[in-house]
Amino acid sequence: QVQLVQSGAEVKKPGASVKVSCTVSGYTLTQLSMHWVRRAPGRGLEWMGGFDPEDGETIYAQKFQGRVTMTEETSRDTAYMELSRLRSEDTAVYYCVTDSGTYYFYYWGQGTLVTVSS
Amino acid sequence: QSVLTQPPSVSGAPGQRVTISCAGTSSNIGAGYDVHWYQHLPGTAPKLLIYGNSNRPSGVPDRFSGSKSGTSASLAITGLQAEDEADYYCQSYDNSLSDSRVFGTGTKVTVI
Repeated sequence: QVQLVQSGAEVKKPGASVKVSCTVSGYTLTQLSMHWVRRAPGRGLEWMGGFDPEDGETIYAQKFQGRVTMTEETSRDTAYMELSRLRSEDTAVYYCVTDSGTYYFYYWGQGTLVTVSS
Repeated sequence: QSVLTQPPSVSGAPGQRVTISCAGTSSNIGAGYDVHWYQHLPGTAPKLLIYGNSNRPSGVPDRFSGSKSGTSASLAITGLQAEDEADYYCQSYDNSLSDSRVFGTGTKVTVI
């Protein structure tokens, strides 16, 4: 059974960056394909990007390219998502999720609320 | 700007059957890619409800069922219960976009 535990809520000012962590237990991070999904208030689920094992690369949704960086620290079984140049519209709950290999998301972290406010 | 379109809301009385549609295109559902469904209850993480068009993960009641035909898919909930009140999302793969994993616009199910 995979468990994903995310870091705590963050409050950031516009223009700042945020880095959210996701620690895996039950499996090792190298056995998983980690992705990130967010949900902003009043909006739907939005895929941000993740590791594509077919290409061996991290892929990002077009909307976030240039602003998001997803990394992994395999020695700690921890994945990170850093979003820069934050704006108020980035206020959302951010989830780490595991891609099954057939393009669906089975395991979800508990979510991290990021609030962007001046 | 999602490529998968769902109705914003559906409602039903307890015990009734409701269906949620998910309309795609020839580059996602119509290209043969599977459709998956998630339930999102307030204050919790989304939960995988249906994968591979019609398969239920362990623990998901058989009141939930999924189907796919052509460029669309649907989720049916039979014997609607109060705890089914939530947001539901379809999701698939799209081969025409750099955004390969795509979610539907989401549907709010209300139990009246």
